Amino acid sequence: AQSVTQLDSHVSVSEGTPVLLRCNYSSSYSPSLFWYVQHPNKGLQLLLKYTSAATLVKGINGFEAEFKKSETSFHLTKPSAHMSDAAEYFCVVSDRTGRRALTFGSGTRLQVQP
Amino acid sequence: DVKVTQSSRYLVKRTGEKVFLECVQDMDHENMFWYRQDPGLGLRLIYFSYDVKMKEKGDIPEGYSVSREKKERFSLILESASTNQTSMYLCASTRGQGGHRELFFGEGSRLTVL
Repeated sequence: AQSVTQLDSHVSVSEGTPVLLRCNYSSSYSPSLFWYVQHPNKGLQLLLKYTSAATLVKGINGFEAEFKKSETSFHLTKPSAHMSDAAEYFCVVSDRTGRRALTFGSGTRLQVQP
Repeated sequence: DVKVTQSSRYLVKRTGEKVFLECVQDMDHENMFWYRQDPGLGLRLIYFSYDVKMKEKGDIPEGYSVSREKKERFSLILESASTNQTSMYLCASTRGQGGHRELFFGEGSRLTVL
């Protein structure tokens, strides 16, 4: 069985300050982990993914995430928030077979204040 | 670019009506999925398909059925719509097997059942 917990339902930051969106996972297998972003009235888009290569993963738009097996975490960070980062972010876990697609977290809504 | 198109962005239906949600992808992906998105619950898998005429139940299939007569098209059917099916429905597709694959999403169909 696998599950994912996003620790904050809402995060608010000021433009230019760092972003931290927290995610913990549980998996019986060595997982693949993803972050997806959803802008208002849009579908989801892949930000980045971890698949057992480097533990620090870089994604699009300056985001990165670090896989920490000992902490079962995969937190998403960005050094400096931009207004266009305001969106909902989903942490996702998949077992290696992927047969039943993915397990999504409940989402974190990021607000960026000017 | 991969394109996943959901033909109806917004629908309003009455209780008991039959509802069809259509999804078409243009990248010859074998795998297609229907998710339901509700605030605070993330995305939940309704049905998925790994090949033409093949379907498998996801986590919340009750009240839904699907059809995949052609590789590029995956339809979600609500035989008798109910108010608790008011939600955002997201279609996704991907190629191949394995948990590392990226899902490509449509922009969603927001259904309101009165």
